[in-house]
Amino acid sequence: AQSVTQPDIHITVSEGASLELRCNYSYGATPYLFWYVQSPGQGLQLLLKYFSGDTLVQGIKGFEAEFKRSQSSFNLRKPSVHWSDAAEYFCAVGAISSASKIIFGSGTRLSIRP
Amino acid sequence: GAGVSQTPSNKVTEKGKYVELRCDPISGHTALYWYRQSLGQGPEFLIYFQGTGAADDSGLPNDRFFAVRPEGSVSTLKIQRTERGDSAVYLCASSLTGAGGTTQDTQYFGPGTRLTVL
Repeated sequence: AQSVTQPDIHITVSEGASLELRCNYSYGATPYLFWYVQSPGQGLQLLLKYFSGDTLVQGIKGFEAEFKRSQSSFNLRKPSVHWSDAAEYFCAVGAISSASKIIFGSGTRLSIRP
Repeated sequence: GAGVSQTPSNKVTEKGKYVELRCDPISGHTALYWYRQSLGQGPEFLIYFQGTGAADDSGLPNDRFFAVRPEGSVSTLKIQRTERGDSAVYLCASSLTGAGGTTQDTQYFGPGTRLTVL
């Protein structure tokens, strides 16, 4: 069955430091991959998505992610975090049966140290 | 422009009661999705509408859960005989085409309805 694993439940980084959030997926073919962010009291917002082509994907708010088929990974990165980046981050994959159905990981909570 | 809206934002009910949760998608979006997010978890797919019809309801946990979209816009998620385990945030999303895999098919999420079953 398809699944998404986010091994880090909670990460704390200092403001201005670089960030990498890990994501591994289980999928039988070329996946559709997503990163969403969820801030308190707000809905899920799409940061970026990978469907095909260039394996390095640029998103909003200065985020990027790299698809590595050999490692079944789609890690999210940002060179310098801001206090406003504190939120819950979800990696997700489009289902085999229907790419309109998204399967989410359990999330990584990001805290920013002043 | 207006995003996806959901009402109510919070709903507290007693075990065994019936509840309805409403979703207003972005105008013009043909696809609508319901997800459930339990505490500390990612959203879990429930059902997907393409127009008025349910294209995929494989995520509905049991026959107590039902959703409709009679005119192809607003959708209502209905839960009968609520149980304490139904407590969660229910999220609605919409997308332009529902054609999975295309760059147009970004799902836009609403703020959710927090359901508490006492």
